[in-house]
Amino acid sequence: DAGVIQSPRHEVTEMGQEVTLRCKPISGHNSLFWYRQTMMRGLELLIYFNNNVPIDDSGMPEDRFSAKMPNASFSTLKIQPSEPRDSAVYFCASSFVRGRGNYGYTFGSGTRLTVV
Amino acid sequence: QQQVKQSPQSLIVQKGGISIINCAYENTAFDYFPWYQQFPGKGPALLIAIRPDVSEKKEGRFTISFNKSAKQFSLHIMDSQPGDSATYFCAAANSGYSTLTFGKGTMLLVSP
Repeated sequence: DAGVIQSPRHEVTEMGQEVTLRCKPISGHNSLFWYRQTMMRGLELLIYFNNNVPIDDSGMPEDRFSAKMPNASFSTLKIQPSEPRDSAVYFCASSFVRGRGNYGYTFGSGTRLTVV
Repeated sequence: QQQVKQSPQSLIVQKGGISIINCAYENTAFDYFPWYQQFPGKGPALLIAIRPDVSEKKEGRFTISFNKSAKQFSLHIMDSQPGDSATYFCAAANSGYSTLTFGKGTMLLVSP
C-alpha cells in the first residue's frame, strides 16, 4: 500500500485565491481526518469523516474552509478565499475504526501551504 | 482549552542517554494514549500506544509509563541514538469517539 497520498506537496498562492488540497486515504480505512500544523498551535483537528460522512467539523476555523469526501478513496479541503494566516502544513490521516477501538492514524506527508 | 500538555518543548540528549518526554491530560474520558514521531518533511507516524489498564508498555528502546491517578504519561527512549532526532507528539483519545487530541510536540536532538 502506498499509504495516505496528499497533493500537492507544496502550494504557494496569492491572498484571495482558492486553494484545494487533495487526499487519498488507505484502502479499507473507514475514517479520514484533516489536521493543520503550525508552530504556534501544533496539530489541530479540522474535520473528521467516518464512512464518508462528516462527523465533526467543529475545528474548521471559518466558512472559508470546506471539506468533502465524495467517496471512500478521495477527500478535498478547500479554502476560499485564502488568507496569509492560513499558511501552515495541512495533513490528511486515515484510520480503521471499529467499535471502541482506535487503531492508530496513518498520516500523509502533508501539503505545505503558503499564502502571500 | 488545551487538553493535552506536553513538556519540554525541546530536548537535547547525548547519544546513549535516556530521553524523557512528559504529557498531562485533563479529560478523564480519555482511554487511548499514543505517541507519534515526526521527521522533517514527513507526517507523524505512530510509535507506541497504551491504554489505561496497564501502567507501562515497552517496545524495544521505547517505553510509555502511565499514571492514571495523576493523569500523566511519559515516553522514555533508552540508549538514545542520533536517528531518534525528531519531533515527538503525545496524544489522547476517547476511543468511543476516535479523534486524537495532540500535545504541542517536543523537538528531540540526540547529539553524536
